[in-house]
Amino acid sequence: AQSVTQLGSHVSVSEGALVLLRCNYSSSVPPYLFWYVQYPNQGLQLLLKYTTGATLVKGINGFEAEFKKSETSFHLTKPSAHMSDAAEYFCAVSWGFIGTASKLTFGTGTRLQVTL
Amino acid sequence: DARVTQTPRHKVTEMGQEVTMRCQPILGHNTVFWYRQTMMQGLELLAYFRNRAPLDDSGMPKDRFSAEMPDATLATLKIQPSEPRDSAVYFCASGIETGDPANTEAFFGQGTRLTVV
Repeated sequence: AQSVTQLGSHVSVSEGALVLLRCNYSSSVPPYLFWYVQYPNQGLQLLLKYTTGATLVKGINGFEAEFKKSETSFHLTKPSAHMSDAAEYFCAVSWGFIGTASKLTFGTGTRLQVTL
Repeated sequence: DARVTQTPRHKVTEMGQEVTMRCQPILGHNTVFWYRQTMMQGLELLAYFRNRAPLDDSGMPKDRFSAEMPDATLATLKIQPSEPRDSAVYFCASGIETGDPANTEAFFGQGTRLTVV
């Protein structure tokens, strides 16, 4: 079965420290990969996505992620955390045919806490 | 600033009552999604429309849930009768299916927080 796993439901980092949020998928077919961020009482906002081409993708707010097919991973990183990064982060994947690329399956989310 | 608009933002209702949630997708978008978010299940896809036609509603309990798009500017999700286990945040998202995955993105509304007591 195809699935998305986010390791760690809560991650706490100090302001200025590296942010690493993990995402792995299981699939026999390479998926399209996404990271979304959700601030309290808000909808989801796309941070970045991988569809084809360069495996290191850069997104908004200084985040980036690297698609590693051999590891079936798409971990999200940011070199230096800011207090405003505190939010919940969702990894999502879609599979299959062109035309269904937006049908997303989400991971369970990782809540990022940034401390002073 | 184009955005997906959902109404109401909050709804408290008694068990057994009908609940209707509305979504105005971004103008020009041809796909609409309904997702449900709960602590236990996370984000689940309930229904998916393209060009107003339902393509996939396999995630939706058919006995009480229904989703429609009366026109291109309005999507509705209805629960009748509502039950306490339906309490969740319901998100609508819209996007454009161009056939190019690189240009495919789902834009989310702020959600409707439903509480059924």
